[in-house]
Amino acid sequence: DAGVIQSPRHEVTEMGQEVTLRCKPISGHNSLFWYRQTMMRGLELLIYFNNNVPIDDSGMPEDRFSAKMPNASFSTLKIQPSEPRDSAVYFCASSRDRAAGNTIYFGEGSWLTVV
Amino acid sequence: AQSVTQPDIHITVSEGASLELRCNYSYGATPYLFWYVQSPGQGLQLLLKYFSGDTLVQGIKGFEAEFKRSQSSFNLRKPSVHWSDAAEYFCAVAGGSYIPTFGRGTSLIVHP
Repeated sequence: DAGVIQSPRHEVTEMGQEVTLRCKPISGHNSLFWYRQTMMRGLELLIYFNNNVPIDDSGMPEDRFSAKMPNASFSTLKIQPSEPRDSAVYFCASSRDRAAGNTIYFGEGSWLTVV
Repeated sequence: AQSVTQPDIHITVSEGASLELRCNYSYGATPYLFWYVQSPGQGLQLLLKYFSGDTLVQGIKGFEAEFKRSQSSFNLRKPSVHWSDAAEYFCAVAGGSYIPTFGRGTSLIVHP
């Protein structure tokens, strides 16, 4: 089975532009996570969906960030407008269900640079 | 609340030497514990996990970890390190919240 698929893998954009990151979770998984990784802050959970519904978005840094999951096989993370401090690696991850012991499977990440 | 501390930011070992990466967690009950590895330019991959039972857990790539409740630790070990083990290693804990909390990571450098 294919793993978590993210696109784009790399994106360089100018400050003020809109950025949309995309994610296809593993088929059959009903939990989806968006993480951000930076040298300064490590791995941060931005938002968590279960059965396409946002459950915990307390990690979304500000209103410039939004995430959607219109169906079980697709999610987006949007930044509008983007700022240089948004430069990071953004990971999408999925797991089979809400159980605490479930393995979370990560995509390869979207490397975002805002100049 | 749950939290994880990885005290070592970097660890340097020689190829063939043994390895131990430290992880301390904070959680009131028996937690679920994980070790993930991140190779350069890649996402995180699960090495092993602990739920209950035997406190010594075997994982992929020859890694093992031992859960010690008295020390609130879940240290990762490997008897002989290979150059391909150079990566970032993350410990994570999940307890009452089904969302795991990740540590800051330990970067493993392997000298030939």
